[in-house]
Amino acid sequence: NAGVTQTPKFQVLKTGQSMTLQCAQDMNHNSMYWYRQDPGMGLRLIYYSASEGTTDKGEVPNGYNVSRLNKREFSLRLESAAPSQTSVYFCASSEKGAKVDEQFFGPGTRLTVL
Amino acid sequence: AQSVAQPEDQVNVAEGNPLTVKCTYSVSGNPYLFWYVQYPNRGLQFLLKYITGDNLVKGSYGFEAEFNKSQTSFHLKKPSALVSDSALYFCAVRDNTGNQFYFGTGTSLTVIP
Repeated sequence: NAGVTQTPKFQVLKTGQSMTLQCAQDMNHNSMYWYRQDPGMGLRLIYYSASEGTTDKGEVPNGYNVSRLNKREFSLRLESAAPSQTSVYFCASSEKGAKVDEQFFGPGTRLTVL
Repeated sequence: AQSVAQPEDQVNVAEGNPLTVKCTYSVSGNPYLFWYVQYPNRGLQFLLKYITGDNLVKGSYGFEAEFNKSQTSFHLKKPSALVSDSALYFCAVRDNTGNQFYFGTGTSLTVIP
């Protein structure tokens, strides 16, 4: 199993450009998540999908949109990138979304917005 | 609201010595607590979790954590540190709906040879 995969690994954008970060998992997990990691702030949840067909806002959703394309795939879109969105983005999944289940993380996408 | 605090940004320990990485939590209801480790340029990896039961939880790579309800703490420990344990460690708590994790700001552990 590949686990959780993310593409691209690195990306540089200019302010105002758009892009989509892709995430896929092959563990048949119901729940998927998008986080951003910034120095001194830990991980903050952007959006999550508790199950196929549902999405919900997390702690920092502004400037982002998501799509749960199917059970495997969960994409994150920046419609008009801003320098404040420079960060490392992690996708994660968990089996049931229940309290007892740990998350499995992808390797991350390092995004720079100029 | 759920939250966790990691009071130390950086912990240094000599190889072979015991290590402790601190975490305190604030939750309404029963806590569901987790520790993750992040190596450079990698995603987070699960180490261990406390759901219920024994206050001492054992996890991967020889790590363990002690749940202390009265002190609202969940400190990560290892009896003998290895240089390869050097990494960024995150404490996390899951909210009562089961849908969201809240992460601490992370503690950078350096094990000195």
